[in-house]
Amino acid sequence: QLQLQESGPGLVKPSETLSLTCTVSGGSVNSGNYYWGWIRQSPGKGLEWIGSVYYSGNTYYNPSLKGRVTISLDTSKNQFYLKLRSVTAADSAVYYCAIVNAASYNVNWYFDLWGRGTLVTVSS
Amino acid sequence: DIQMTQSPSTLSASVGDRVTITCRASQSISSSLAWYQDKPGKAPKVLISQASSLETGVPSRFSGGGSGTEFTLTISSLQPDDFATYYCQQYSSYPWTFGQGTKVEIK
Repeated sequence: QLQLQESGPGLVKPSETLSLTCTVSGGSVNSGNYYWGWIRQSPGKGLEWIGSVYYSGNTYYNPSLKGRVTISLDTSKNQFYLKLRSVTAADSAVYYCAIVNAASYNVNWYFDLWGRGTLVTVSS
Repeated sequence: DIQMTQSPSTLSASVGDRVTITCRASQSISSSLAWYQDKPGKAPKVLISQASSLETGVPSRFSGGGSGTEFTLTISSLQPDDFATYYCQQYSSYPWTFGQGTKVEIK
């Protein structure tokens, strides 16, 4: 059974880079069955899709964050990653990793499975 | 971006009640809508996709309806496990966007 687990620092200083890891168990990030992605939830903006990556390395980002975000994956570690640069207090949120089922020809971009989330606070 | 608006923001109900949550899209999204249940400390869970298709393992007391710009999530008989926050999400148009949530609390 596929499971996702987020990890990373709970506190990041303003202007620095937020880095999170999602560890996948029960499945492989090197399969074409899923898009591997990140979503965040903050009190001010609710749920916001950040972006997703496919096993091929193709990435899809929310334009609201494009330029600051990089999502990548490491097949040898069966993990994927989020890097968000130049953070401010507005980036404080619970960050979730989540997957989209890519098995069908027409992909329906809803999130089949989520991790439990990790709280990141941006503060000096 | 397509804006998703849920109502009400909070709903107080009792066990056994029938409850309905509404989600409106700022433009037509056909049936490209999913509903999620979110509980503190747990992973959010998808309940319904394609506006009305129940995901595997989701109790039949949950149902979804609508198309175009107006959608509903109905719980036919509220159970203790159903007190949670519910979100809708559109996947018709990139970037994918969510409603602000409806908290179902005990009356």
